[in-house]
Amino acid sequence: DQQVKQNSPSLSVQEGRISILNCDYTNSMFDYFLWYKKYPAEGPTFLISISSIKDKNEDGRFTVFLNKSAKHLSLHIVPSQPGDSAVYFCAAGNSGNTPLVFGKGTRLSVIA
Amino acid sequence: DAGVIQSPRHEVTEMGQEVTLRCKPISGHNSLFWYRQTMMRGLELLIYFNNNVPIDDSGMPEDRFSAKMPNASFSTLKIQPSEPRDSAVYFCASSPINRGDDTQYFGPGTRLTVL
Repeated sequence: DQQVKQNSPSLSVQEGRISILNCDYTNSMFDYFLWYKKYPAEGPTFLISISSIKDKNEDGRFTVFLNKSAKHLSLHIVPSQPGDSAVYFCAAGNSGNTPLVFGKGTRLSVIA
Repeated sequence: DAGVIQSPRHEVTEMGQEVTLRCKPISGHNSLFWYRQTMMRGLELLIYFNNNVPIDDSGMPEDRFSAKMPNASFSTLKIQPSEPRDSAVYFCASSPINRGDDTQYFGPGTRLTVL
């Protein structure tokens, strides 16, 4: 049973436009959510996170939104750049040192 | 500061052979995680350690898989005997213990191909 779901395996966006990556979770005990970015032949790197006490966290071009009632989060990238082309993983966990649960990832392609 | 170090970066072996993957976590990090990435299953947690002690190995697929962490700066993941279905990218990650943000830092991965 997948506790963290990224239902879109891939997404293609024009350079300069907004990219929206979505993630759903089922476990109401999750209180911390992260997005990781992965380039080919590299490990995932931390991008941005959000605690369940917030509904939005912004870092430059990246914003994560959390809708706890819908158990849904999304990552917005504005404006999208070709260098943003990568696989994006959503992850969820409890505060404290428990293992994160990852989604299967969404491959974003930003077309120039 | 050096990140998580994994070796080898690529491993090609024949079915039935023993494979050992190595990981050096970030200095000062007390938690270490082994993941496997496949197209079908995404990133799966295999096992994790806190302070060198295995906490949860329920993700280890079979008895052919074993992991050790003899000290705070080194861990191994061993597959014996290896099978073609073990072909995947294996990641090691580490994180500080007792942090509320749970950020894990990943190594570059080992791409394993079992022929």
